[in-house]
Amino acid sequence: DVKVTQSSRYLVKRTGEKVFLECVQDMDHENMFWYRQDPGLGLRLIYFSYDVKMKEKGDIPEGYSVSREKKERFSLILESASTNQTSMYLCASTHWTSGHKRTQYFGPGTRLLVL
Amino acid sequence: DQQVKQNSPSLSVQEGRISILNCDYTNSMFDYFLWYKKYPAEGPTFLISISSIKDKNEDGRFTVFLNKSAKHLSLHIVPSQPGDSAVYFCAASTNTGNQFYFGTGTSLTVIP
Repeated sequence: DVKVTQSSRYLVKRTGEKVFLECVQDMDHENMFWYRQDPGLGLRLIYFSYDVKMKEKGDIPEGYSVSREKKERFSLILESASTNQTSMYLCASTHWTSGHKRTQYFGPGTRLLVL
Repeated sequence: DQQVKQNSPSLSVQEGRISILNCDYTNSMFDYFLWYKKYPAEGPTFLISISSIKDKNEDGRFTVFLNKSAKHLSLHIVPSQPGDSAVYFCAASTNTGNQFYFGTGTSLTVIP
C-alpha cells in the first residue's frame, strides 16, 4: 500500500512565524504536490515537484515556498504565517506515467490554525 | 479560472437509493478523470477513474460515466449507504501534464 505521511495533523502558529510542513511518501513516486483545502473552494494547488530539487508553481503559490532535497520528502514552508493561511494542507504523490493509470495518493492532511 | 466544476455543493439521498454526483470541465485536453472521497479530518482517497477512450467504468456500487461532447462526467452510487456520506471531488488531468485539477466538491449525505 502506498503511504503518504504528513508531519503533523494539527498545528497552531502565531502570525509572522515560519512554519514547516513535511510530507514523506514511501513509493518512490517522482511527483509530489501540496494543496490547500478550504470550504467552497475545493483543493487548490500550491506547488508541485516532478523531481528532486525541481519545483513548479501551482495556482496559489504566494506566501509559500517548497523544498525537495530527497525524492521521498517534500516540504512546504510558510515564510511568515498569516491568518489567511489558516487551512487544511494536503500532500499528495503520484508515479509519473504517460499512460492512463495515474492516481494521486494523499496524506491525512495538516489542519493549520494561524492566530 | 476553475477548469473543473461541481455545481452542487451538497446532496442528500435515502439509504438504498441512487446517488448521482455531477462534474463539468472546460478543458478539452483533459483525458483522464478521477473521483475521490474525503471524510472530515482525513485526506482524499481514490475511488474510481475513467480514461477518455471510455464512456463508462464500473467498480462495484460505483459507476462513472463520461460524456466527452458535453464535457460532463457523473458518479453513480447504487445502492447508497450511510458510510458513503462524505465529500466527493472530481479531478482531471492531461496525458502530458503533471497537474491534476480538482472541482470544489459535493458533500453527500445518505440518510438511514
